[in-house]
Amino acid sequence: DGGITQSPKYLFRKEGQNVTLSCEQNLNHDAMYWYRQDPGQGLRLIYYSQIVNDFQKGDIAEGYSVSREKKESFPLTVTSAQKNPTAFYLCASSTTGGSIHEQYFGPGTRLTVT
Amino acid sequence: ILNVEQSPQSLHVQEGDSTNFTCSFPSSNFYALHWYRWETAKSPEALFVMTLNGDEKKKGRISATLNTKEGYSYLYIKGSQPEDSATYLCATKGTNAGKSTFGDGTTLTVKP
Repeated sequence: DGGITQSPKYLFRKEGQNVTLSCEQNLNHDAMYWYRQDPGQGLRLIYYSQIVNDFQKGDIAEGYSVSREKKESFPLTVTSAQKNPTAFYLCASSTTGGSIHEQYFGPGTRLTVT
Repeated sequence: ILNVEQSPQSLHVQEGDSTNFTCSFPSSNFYALHWYRWETAKSPEALFVMTLNGDEKKKGRISATLNTKEGYSYLYIKGSQPEDSATYLCATKGTNAGKSTFGDGTTLTVKP
């Protein structure tokens, strides 16, 4: 089945450690996105990529890094520089042609840093 | 309006009630608006995409309208059912922008 997978579902890390969240899609979408959700808030864009080997900062990129070496993969690294890393992280993908561009979302990863 | 704003933040209704909520957005530089439904323990799923002023979309008991000149969209649910309980997100995309801006969502709870 086509879709987006994120792993793991729950992730626990000690403060000061970098951690990488996985996002894979087999929808053949050019664009991929990473969002963060905090309690009571909506989705805030961390990074997005519209094509392989290219990505742009979103609204809250500080303390995060990404890579887009393959079309189907867009891993997110939460670095020790991110001051409040505990959150729910959602990955999404979409087409880039036409006007539809609806985003397809993965199941999310809940990261807890103590 | 500088950001995408949704109201109300939460809504509790009885089964069978009809309800509606609002998404407000900057009317300048508008390209498209999406509505998503996010049920608990699931991933957000797209409901509608609208691009033209006056657009109306319908899917079963759910419909949406768009006013790009004044910068708002309404989502209507007719005869709410418990399975409609979810958070409804709207997201706008500016002209040729690669990214969308999401509102904080409206959380609907339908009591049987």
